[in-house]
Amino acid sequence: GEEVAQTPKHLVRGEGQKAKLYCAPIKGHSYVFWYQQVLKNEFKFLISFQNENVFDETGMPKERFSAKCLPNSPCSLEIQATKLEDSAVYFCASAMYATYGYTFGSGTRLTVV
Amino acid sequence: GESVGLHLPTLSVQEGDNSIINCAYSNSASDYFIWYKQESGKGPQFIIDIRSNMDKRQGQRVTVLLNKTVKHLSLQIAATQPGDSAVYFCAETVGNNDMRFGAGTRLTVKP
Repeated sequence: GEEVAQTPKHLVRGEGQKAKLYCAPIKGHSYVFWYQQVLKNEFKFLISFQNENVFDETGMPKERFSAKCLPNSPCSLEIQATKLEDSAVYFCASAMYATYGYTFGSGTRLTVV
Repeated sequence: GESVGLHLPTLSVQEGDNSIINCAYSNSASDYFIWYKQESGKGPQFIIDIRSNMDKRQGQRVTVLLNKTVKHLSLQIAATQPGDSAVYFCAETVGNNDMRFGAGTRLTVKP
């Protein structure tokens, strides 16, 4: 399809629980990007993939966060042992190129209570 | 680190007036800039872009100006409409690196 599909739209987790977010990129797009947006403020880059390979992971917290893009499956972002500060909207984008033409999904709102 | 930022966090304009949203960047190596519009509950939506070898680019009702000397980017919206109310973000890329965003400006259009 022509849209980036993110699921679920909303996710509530108790502190310490695991959270897993999914992103189906647009067909034909080689690149997938994850961003974290807290309180409508700037987007913090987390990680990007070129197909199933990590392209840039300079924004990923060293602990607790992991991501994958496997063939024939939605990409995923997983947070182990969530903390209150992880509460944010997580956006996924896909593109044919690394630097432009990004199409964003509608985001997953993660609330850690 | 280097960042992309905005001068004003909020902007309120009268319907029909022109709006100007500003963005300062600090990485002189940035070579591609994009403006995004984000409406409530949605992801960023592409508005217009400009490469560093240009000073100005026009779209439908929108113009982006780039001043590389002072590292300043602006988005001009002509005849602002209520549907333009949203948060606007500038973003930049350097070479083959992925995109980085600045903080947003909330535009409110009063009828």
